[in-house]
Amino acid sequence: SQQGEEDPQALSIQEGENATMNCSYKTSINNLQWYRQNSGRGLVHLILIRSNEREKHSGRLRVTLDTSKKSSSLLITASRAADTASYFCAYNNNDMRFGAGTRLTVKP
Amino acid sequence: DTGVSQDPRHKITKRGQNVTFRCDPISEHNRLYWYRQTLGQGPEFLTYFQNEAQLEKSRLLSDRFSAERPKGSFSTLEIQRTEQGDSAMYLCASSSTTLPRQGLAQVQELFFGEGSRLTVL
Repeated sequence: SQQGEEDPQALSIQEGENATMNCSYKTSINNLQWYRQNSGRGLVHLILIRSNEREKHSGRLRVTLDTSKKSSSLLITASRAADTASYFCAYNNNDMRFGAGTRLTVKP
Repeated sequence: DTGVSQDPRHKITKRGQNVTFRCDPISEHNRLYWYRQTLGQGPEFLTYFQNEAQLEKSRLLSDRFSAERPKGSFSTLEIQRTEQGDSAMYLCASSSTTLPRQGLAQVQELFFGEGSRLTVL
């Protein structure tokens, strides 16, 4: 079973809007990673944030990490229809555990 | 193409049959993971290997499931006496991982294969 929780479970927005997804976890971590999955495909790594980092950017992606609250957020700015996918956080505590994911739909 | 390959991509079998999935990770990666994913859910951890050593197995992994990574390279996941509840996508991932003398292992980016979809009739 997953040990992380994503919020919301599903998100539907218009193209051009920003999408924010949240992730909570329960253990101490070395790093937290975000992945994307298109329907029926394998997962693709998006970004990794270490436990001593608070914020990280990669293109239109912005990730924050609050280890005191055991939570992270992923912000996708200026969304595109091609961003439609499921997004998962995964946290590193010796192994790698995934949350249940947020299903993002970006309407053109 | 991430460099991780899984075979077969699709498997349809009858209940009670055995099935085996193979994963070929990126060659220089020392860590290999197996996950199971059902529709609308996140990947559920099954087991992982550090080189050839199987370091952890999920409680989800009943005695019908066995995984090996005999030479620290490719891995196999076998399911014996399949049940309809075993129908799922089985995902393999590999990564490079540093093991400090103390503290948690630092797992880098996971590279996933495209998965092996199992349907048990």
